[in-house]
Amino acid sequence: DAGVTQSPTHLIKTRGQQVTLRCSPKSGHDTVSWYQQALGQGPQFIFQYYEEEERQRGNFPDRFSGHQFPNYSSELNVNALLLGDSALYLCASSLGKSSYNEQFFGPGTRLTVL
Amino acid sequence: GQQVMQIPQYQHVQEGEDFTTYCNSSTTLSNIQWYKQRPGGHPVFLIQLVKSGEVKKQKRLTFQFGEAKKNSSLHITATQTTDVGTYFCASRPTNDYKLSFGAGTTVTVRA
Repeated sequence: DAGVTQSPTHLIKTRGQQVTLRCSPKSGHDTVSWYQQALGQGPQFIFQYYEEEERQRGNFPDRFSGHQFPNYSSELNVNALLLGDSALYLCASSLGKSSYNEQFFGPGTRLTVL
Repeated sequence: GQQVMQIPQYQHVQEGEDFTTYCNSSTTLSNIQWYKQRPGGHPVFLIQLVKSGEVKKQKRLTFQFGEAKKNSSLHITATQTTDVGTYFCASRPTNDYKLSFGAGTTVTVRA
């Protein structure tokens, strides 16, 4: 039973560039949430996708966008990268029927913006 | 979202000793979840508490939800080196999907 997988593991970009991060949820899960975790801080909710639509969004600018595919996998896109976007980006999957279900996190993508 | 604050930020513990970390909110929480993140790792779900005054145990870990549902605690007995990591509490309002995390308590253990 595969857990949550994310790619790539690490990424280095320069300011102004665009990046796409990918996530495959745990088998049987239909909901994907994305989080940004800066060094020394807790994960910050970016948005959640369910049934291929953005179900809820956190306090992140429109430069952050996403997509969910029919197989429940998801992408996070960040445009016009800023130095402050450097962080660990975590994907978490869960079952969408209940809002109380635990989140299963992937290993994350470490993004460095130079 | 439901804002939660954690104290202390850092906890340095002698191996074998007990310690407690706290999670507090100014508003009533619908639920509380606890996660552990090892250094260089990702958060791993530990437990969820929903009922007022609820207490759950996992081996040496005891989780408690306050009677007023405004605070929670995690107590670890006989700390081991495997307990090293950052412990986060998180909460999500009823019928909402945004999970809000605290800043975490980072635990180090002296052998």
